[in-house]
Amino acid sequence: QKEVEQNSGPLSVPEGAIASLNCTYSDRGSQSFFWYRQYSGKSPELIMFIYSNGDKEDGRFTAQLNKASQYVSLLIRDSQPSDSATYLCAVNSGANSKLTFGKGITLSVRP
Amino acid sequence: NAGVMQNPRHLVRRRGQEARLRCSPMKGHSHVYWYRQLPEEGLKFMVYLQKENIIDESGMPKERFSAEFPKEGPSILRIQQVVRGDSAAYFCASSLVYGTLTEAFFGQGTRLTVV
Repeated sequence: QKEVEQNSGPLSVPEGAIASLNCTYSDRGSQSFFWYRQYSGKSPELIMFIYSNGDKEDGRFTAQLNKASQYVSLLIRDSQPSDSATYLCAVNSGANSKLTFGKGITLSVRP
Repeated sequence: NAGVMQNPRHLVRRRGQEARLRCSPMKGHSHVYWYRQLPEEGLKFMVYLQKENIIDESGMPKERFSAEFPKEGPSILRIQQVVRGDSAAYFCASSLVYGTLTEAFFGQGTRLTVV
């Protein structure tokens, strides 16, 4: 069974710090990887996707992928209170496969 | 440039009634996914559809649940004879598929409460 695991939270960081969110996946055939942000009571919002080994940067967000270790992470630089939300890692194993989600980790950024 | 539209946003049903949840994908998207989210839990895949076809229904309960995505009109998730355990947020996502990359966007969800 394909599984996606995220660190149990919650994670609390001070404003301005770097928040590091981690995710591992079990299916070596996984090909694309996504980070979603979900505010309480709202729908998931796509932040970034990555499908090649290495880093991908978009503003304050950096996604990192290591397929050999089956590991994907999201770094949030200069964390803001507005970043406080649940972050969901999702993995897609092929063109005709669904997205499999982790349980999410709740991030709290302290002012 | 409307996003994924789901309705209703909130739905209350008595035990034993039927619930119908609708999802209109983003313009140009032909792939629809339904997910269920229980309180304090992650998103659980239910079903993946393309127009007129069910591609993967491995997450659907064997009984009472069905889904369709007709040639015309929205995708429908149908729950017959609802029970209290069906109370959850149901999210629809739509996507284009570029080879092995699927970039899915979610609707606002339907929050089903069974009383």
